[in-house]
Amino acid sequence: RKEVEQDPGPFNVPEGATVAFNCTYSNSASQSFFWYRQDCRKEPKLLMSVYSSGNEDGRFTAQLNRASQYISLLIRDSKLSDSATYLCVVGMDTGRRALTFGSGTRLQVQP
Amino acid sequence: SAVISQKPSRDICQRGTSLTIQCQVDSQVTMMFWYRQQPGQSLTLIATANQGSEATYESGFVIDKFPISRPNLTFSTLTVSNMSPEDSSIYLCSVREPRGAYGYTFGSGTRLTVV
Repeated sequence: RKEVEQDPGPFNVPEGATVAFNCTYSNSASQSFFWYRQDCRKEPKLLMSVYSSGNEDGRFTAQLNRASQYISLLIRDSKLSDSATYLCVVGMDTGRRALTFGSGTRLQVQP
Repeated sequence: SAVISQKPSRDICQRGTSLTIQCQVDSQVTMMFWYRQQPGQSLTLIATANQGSEATYESGFVIDKFPISRPNLTFSTLTVSNMSPEDSSIYLCSVREPRGAYGYTFGSGTRLTVV
């Protein structure tokens, strides 16, 4: 079983649609949770951290359920510029392990 | 957030040769991380580099193949040795932001093709 699992997609949605991505992680000791965005041929860039209380940044809402070891990302009013791969990322705040990446979910927003 | 300068951005190398990738950070960081992203795949951690000690390698990666240097708190190199076509990949360095909630910042990556 992968440590971080995501639906690879692709998700093809029209502009203005709402789309949700889900992610599960296997290590219950994980302490940091992130969504990263990776554009084609570019490095990953932090989209947002994810907190147990849930957090929102404009059109993006992230949720964490520690009991179910489940993370979600909701994108409202999709824009063409949202087209990218979204990586679910889990980290340990201690020890030598850095981040564990999901395989990513590809989003294509169409006009 | 930290700014990382990574070079080269890309290279095409002959099999059997070695390539050294450099990452320079604009601030002092305790740990630097090296990742590999194979075509169509997500990122896999190669090793963690601490200043003043040997790098710690993940399962499947060894020092002879991927020697790492960390001479100070702002710089690190990763060498891909005795390359084969299977080493064709994107290699990225990363640092953790001082406050964990801000995640990790990545260099722009080195796209390596081995022919």
